[in-house]
Amino acid sequence: ELKVEQNPLFLSMQEGKNYTIYCNYSTTSDRLYWYRQDPGKSLESLFVLLSNGAVKQEGRLMASLDTKARLSTLHITAAVHDLSATYFCAVVTNAGKSTFGDGTTLTVKP
Amino acid sequence: DVKVTQSSRYLVKRTGEKVFLECVQDMDHENMFWYRQDPGLGLRLIYFSYDVKMKEKGDIPEGYSVSREKKERFSLILESASTNQTSMYLCASSSPTGKNTEAFFGQGTRLTVV
Repeated sequence: ELKVEQNPLFLSMQEGKNYTIYCNYSTTSDRLYWYRQDPGKSLESLFVLLSNGAVKQEGRLMASLDTKARLSTLHITAAVHDLSATYFCAVVTNAGKSTFGDGTTLTVKP
Repeated sequence: DVKVTQSSRYLVKRTGEKVFLECVQDMDHENMFWYRQDPGLGLRLIYFSYDVKMKEKGDIPEGYSVSREKKERFSLILESASTNQTSMYLCASSSPTGKNTEAFFGQGTRLTVV
């Protein structure tokens, strides 16, 4: 059974600081996704990582994938309040089924 | 723009009622999914479908069934609603192949069973 573990589950950081969210998964997969969810809203896709060593960046967020270590990271640079949300990673099996991590709730404080 | 539309944002139903949650997508996606989201438990997969009339159980199928008679529509059915099915329900769709294979989510249905 595929397991996806995120840490930390809760993250409170000050504006301007950097931090990394980790996503570990238990079986081989070469497709990993990061999603963002704002309070009371649905999930929106942030990044699609399709191969070992893939790195994607948008604004203050950068995601990477190491399929050998079964690890993805979401790095936040110089956090701003607008980044406050819950972030999920999801790993996709060959059948196209996604298994999600439990989510990391990020709060950025002034 | 991909659109996944769920029929209701909020629903209140009584215990024992049969409840239908409808989801429609307009991107010709093969895969469709139903999740429920509860505080502290993340997203849990109830059922998914990879083709018309095809379905597979997810992690928590008990108390639920699904129907996919047309490619664009995936329905979640609560045969006899119970209070422990009070939750946020999220529908998603995706394509299994190609460049963009991420899941696209509907806006969610917050179901309260009283």
